[in-house]
Amino acid sequence: SQTIHQWPATLVQPVGSPLSLECTVEGTSNPNLYWYRQAAGRGLQLLFYSVGIGQISSEVPQNLSASRPQDRQFILSSKKLLLSDSGFYLCAWSDILNPESSYNEQFFGPGTRLTVL
Amino acid sequence: QKEVEQNSGPLSVPEGAIASLNCTYSDRGSQSFFWYRQYSGKSPELIMFIYSNGDKEDGRFTAQLNKASQYVSLLIRDSQPSDSATYLCAVGRNYQLIWGAGTKLIIKP
Repeated sequence: SQTIHQWPATLVQPVGSPLSLECTVEGTSNPNLYWYRQAAGRGLQLLFYSVGIGQISSEVPQNLSASRPQDRQFILSSKKLLLSDSGFYLCAWSDILNPESSYNEQFFGPGTRLTVL
Repeated sequence: QKEVEQNSGPLSVPEGAIASLNCTYSDRGSQSFFWYRQYSGKSPELIMFIYSNGDKEDGRFTAQLNKASQYVSLLIRDSQPSDSATYLCAVGRNYQLIWGAGTKLIIKP
C-alpha cells in the first residue's frame, strides 16, 4: 500500500530564515506530486505540482520554490520566510494512470504546521 | 465567481439525522468530483468520488451529481458526532483538483 510522509510536523521559524520541507511517497512509482498551503480557517491553495523528476509547475508567484530530486521525493523551500508564509503545508500524490486524466484522486500527507514569527 | 463554491457553514445537524452538503461548480466540462473530510488540525482524507450523473452510495455516505445543474452533493445518513469536520468539494481538471473552501459540519449529540 502507498504511504506519504512529511516532516517536520511543526516548525517555528523567524522572519527571514530559510525553509526546507520534505515529502516522500512509498509504494508507488512516478506519482504526480503536489504542495498546498492552507491558511487558518481557509481552503487549499495549490503552490506547486510535479509530473516527473525535475518537472515543477508553479501556480502562485511567491518566495517559495519546489524541487523533485528523486521520483518519490518533493521538497518545498524558501530562502527568506515572510510572516505571510505561516500556514499548514500539505503534500499530496496521485497516480499517473493517465497523465491527461482528471480522474486521479489525490492523497495527502499529515502536513507541516509552519509558524513564522 | 469562484470555480467551486460551498457554503462555509457551520451546518448544525442533530445526531442521527441526515446531513446534506452542497457544492456548485462553474466549468460545465468538468467530469470528476471528489469529497474530502478534514478534521481540525489534520490533513484532508478522501471520502468519495463520482463521475456519472445520479447517486453513488458507500455506507452512510451518498454522493449525488447533477451535471445539467452543475452541482454535486454529499449526504451523510445517521450522522454521528465523529462526522463533525470540514467537508471539502473538489473538481478534477487535468492534473489538478480545483477546491472549494469547505463546509464546516457540526453534529450535535
